[in-house]
Amino acid sequence: NAGVMQNPRHLVRRRGQEARLRCSPMKGHSHVYWYRQLPEEGLKFMVYLQKENIIDESGMPKERFSAEFPKEGPSILRIQQVVRGDSAAYFCASSPGGAHQPQHFGDGTRLSIL
Amino acid sequence: KQEVTQIPAALSVPEGENLVLNCSFTDSAIYNLQWFRQDPGKGLTSLLLIQSSQREQTSGRLNASLDKSSGRSTLYIAASQPGDSATYLCAVRRTQTGANNLFFGTGTRLTVIP
Repeated sequence: NAGVMQNPRHLVRRRGQEARLRCSPMKGHSHVYWYRQLPEEGLKFMVYLQKENIIDESGMPKERFSAEFPKEGPSILRIQQVVRGDSAAYFCASSPGGAHQPQHFGDGTRLSIL
Repeated sequence: KQEVTQIPAALSVPEGENLVLNCSFTDSAIYNLQWFRQDPGKGLTSLLLIQSSQREQTSGRLNASLDKSSGRSTLYIAASQPGDSATYLCAVRRTQTGANNLFFGTGTRLTVIP
């Protein structure tokens, strides 16, 4: 039973380019969460999605960032016109649903901006 | 606003020693608390999940306790081994409807010396 799969593991972009991060939840999980870990900081919540719906995006920057979780396929975190400050590890977690269920995390995508 | 603090930030112990990691949170209105370990360059591995109605959870050499009223949790590791070396994170989930995201501490970096 595969865990949460994130790709790519490492992504390098130049300032101004777009970054697309993918997350496939565990089988049977319909809830997806994105977190960001800046260097020397703790993980911070960005967005919570269910299939085809954004439930909570209170942690996501208002500009340049967007997320989706389509009916078919992985969840996508998209960062447009990247800047140096976007360099971080981006983690995806999934759960089968319900606040009482544990979240299971992927290995993350390390984004580096040149 | 929920803030999660973990003390100490780093800890070194000789192999075989029992140890306790501490986690405190400012808002006691939590749904549950989850302990994770994070290995360098890796994602998070869920260790234990304690619901707000529970006092403790055990898994193998790990025991986690929760005192919601005082805003504290501890993770007890018995007979530590070099393989336990990692960063340990605690995270709390709020009770607010729809707020399924986790608030993370900055972690305790544990080194077990052979």
